[in-house]
Formats: sequence, C-alpha cells, structure tokens
Amino acid sequence: EVQLVESGGGLVKPGGSLRLSCAASGFTFSTYSMNWVRQAPGKGLEWVSSISSSSSYKYYADSVKGRFTISRDNAKNSLYLQMNSLRAEDTAVYYCARALTGGGIRSLGYDHWGQGTLVTVSS
Amino acid sequence: DIQMTQSPSSLSASVGDRVTITCRASQSISSYLHWYQQKPGKAPKLLIYSASSLQSGVPSRFSGSGSGTDFTLTISSLQPEDFATYSCQQDYSTPSFGQGTKLEIK
Repeated sequence: EVQLVESGGGLVKPGGSLRLSCAASGFTFSTYSMNWVRQAPGKGLEWVSSISSSSSYKYYADSVKGRFTISRDNAKNSLYLQMNSLRAEDTAVYYCARALTGGGIRSLGYDHWGQGTLVTVSS
Repeated sequence: DIQMTQSPSSLSASVGDRVTITCRASQSISSYLHWYQQKPGKAPKLLIYSASSLQSGVPSRFSGSGSGTDFTLTISSLQPEDFATYSCQQDYSTPSFGQGTKLEIK
C-alpha cells in the first residue's frame, strides 16, 4: 500500500525556519517525481514545489522561490522541504504528493497524497 | 504563469442530478489538466488525469473532457459521497490549481 507521511510542521515565528519531511513507503520512491502542495485555512490548493525522481529538476512557485528548498533522499525514501524566512502567508497545511512524469513538470496527475502537516507562522 | 478559473465557485444539487464543472486556462495547456476531489479535513484525491482519463478505482459516473483552454468535469448521477470540493490543476507549465468548486446538497 502506498503511504506518504508528512512531519515537521508546527508553530514558528515570522522570519523563522522549518524543515518538513515526507516518508514514503509501498512503492519504488526513486522512480517518481514528488511534490509539495499547500492549503491555507479555508482556501484552495496551491502548488509549492516539485522535484524529479533523480533530483535533476527542481521547480518552485514564485511565492516561495529563494526561501524554500526541495530535496529528496532516495536511499531513505524521503522528501524534504526546507522553509526559511517564513511569513504569515505561508501558514497552511502542507501536503506531499507523488506524480508519474517523464522527467519534467508534466505529469499524469498527483495520484497519492499524504495526510498533511500544519505550519503556522505567527508571533 | 497560467491562471486556472473554475465555474461555478459553488453549486447546490440533489442526489441523482447530473452536474458539470468547468475549468478554463488562461492559455492553451493541451491536455495537461487533472481533476481532484477533496472532502473537509482530508487530502485531495485524483479523479481524472490528462483531461479525460479516469484514475483507477474512481467510479465511472465521473468523466472529464476538453483540451486547449476549456475543460469540464461531469458527474452523471450524484451520489451522497460526491458532495465535496472539486479542483482542477494544470501542469503544462509551472503547476497551478483552480480556486475550487464546492458541491453542496440542495
């Protein structure tokens, strides 16, 4: 069974940092692109970042570019999101999701998602 | 960046109704359009990928169509478990989601 389990969320002050993790199991992690998608309270889904299966390609939303860094460790079946210079508008539930792609950004949809981890940025 | 606009933003319907939700892209995205269902407090679930392909395990009452800039999600006969929020997503270029359509019981 495919499982994605996020962790690392919590309360952080503006300007602070947080590192999210996503532990994958039940599939060959190294063959899938992985993504972070967030959802602010009461709002719609917002794509945050994507990384190709071998980490060759990384993509970021303009809203997080220069502040967030996506990475993965295929040996540990894990995906990460390092979030720096956090702002109040980064408050959201952060989901990791897998996608089957040909190496670029275009996919066959995000077919499995984790349960999400809540990040709250507040003083 | 490509903007995705869904209509309507909310919709009231009854069990057994046929429902159509529209998603429009600000420029052509070929068929790189996916549909998701999300229930409160839960993660999104992929329903349709590549505009018209039914994800494994999804009931056949769900269907998708369109290409270029205009796309539709149709539920042929609403079931009680279908009341949820539906979102479209493009990944022709930097991914983006529509604002969502909340489907409520009439």
